[in-house]
Amino acid sequence: AQKITQTQPGMFVQEKEAVTLDCTYDTSDQSYGLFWYKQPSSGEMIFLIYQGSYDEQNATEGRYSLNFQKARKSANLVISASQLGDSAMYFCAMRGTNAGGTSYGKLTFGQGTILTVHP
Amino acid sequence: DAGVIQSPRHEVTEMGQEVTLRCKPISGHDYLFWYRQTMMRGLELLIYFNNNVPIDDSGMPEDRFSAKMPNASFSTLKIQPSEPRDSAVYFCASSLGTLGGMGTQYFGPGTRLLVL
Repeated sequence: AQKITQTQPGMFVQEKEAVTLDCTYDTSDQSYGLFWYKQPSSGEMIFLIYQGSYDEQNATEGRYSLNFQKARKSANLVISASQLGDSAMYFCAMRGTNAGGTSYGKLTFGQGTILTVHP
Repeated sequence: DAGVIQSPRHEVTEMGQEVTLRCKPISGHDYLFWYRQTMMRGLELLIYFNNNVPIDDSGMPEDRFSAKMPNASFSTLKIQPSEPRDSAVYFCASSLGTLGGMGTQYFGPGTRLLVL
């Protein structure tokens, strides 16, 4: 079974500052993928960044970076230079593989963190 | 390129009525997923298809729910009869495979369903 834990129900950050959103995961899969999605108040789910469990370097996409610590089973999202438009719910998700190496396909989501960016 | 398209965006119906949600995946994607989002349960997978074939429907709540994918560009999720507890946002997502970053799931805008 896979489990994603996001311990911060809400976070506040000042505009232009950096913020870290926490995500820890639990899995016995040897290979897995970790994803972050953004859900603004309009409701759509927007893909932000992906990290593979065998990737040696932390993933980066523009102002988003993923602080991947495999031994600690954490995959925190770092947003640099926060903007007002970053205010949204953020979800961490995992996709695992079975013993035969076949991906499960499905994503398991955390409960999300609401980020509020103050001007 | 067009993203995942869902219709309707909003649906209000009365208990007992049939509800049909529609999804058009991104062209060329071979996996299609249906998720449901509620405050109590968060985001949960209902069913997913690979090349139009259902692979895992273990998340479908009960027999009132059914999903089909008659071709690579269209899928439906049907609830019959609907109940108030079915009120939720239903997302459709698609991906190209399920491996690595290429297998990233891209979500549609969702259908917000309210059953009175």
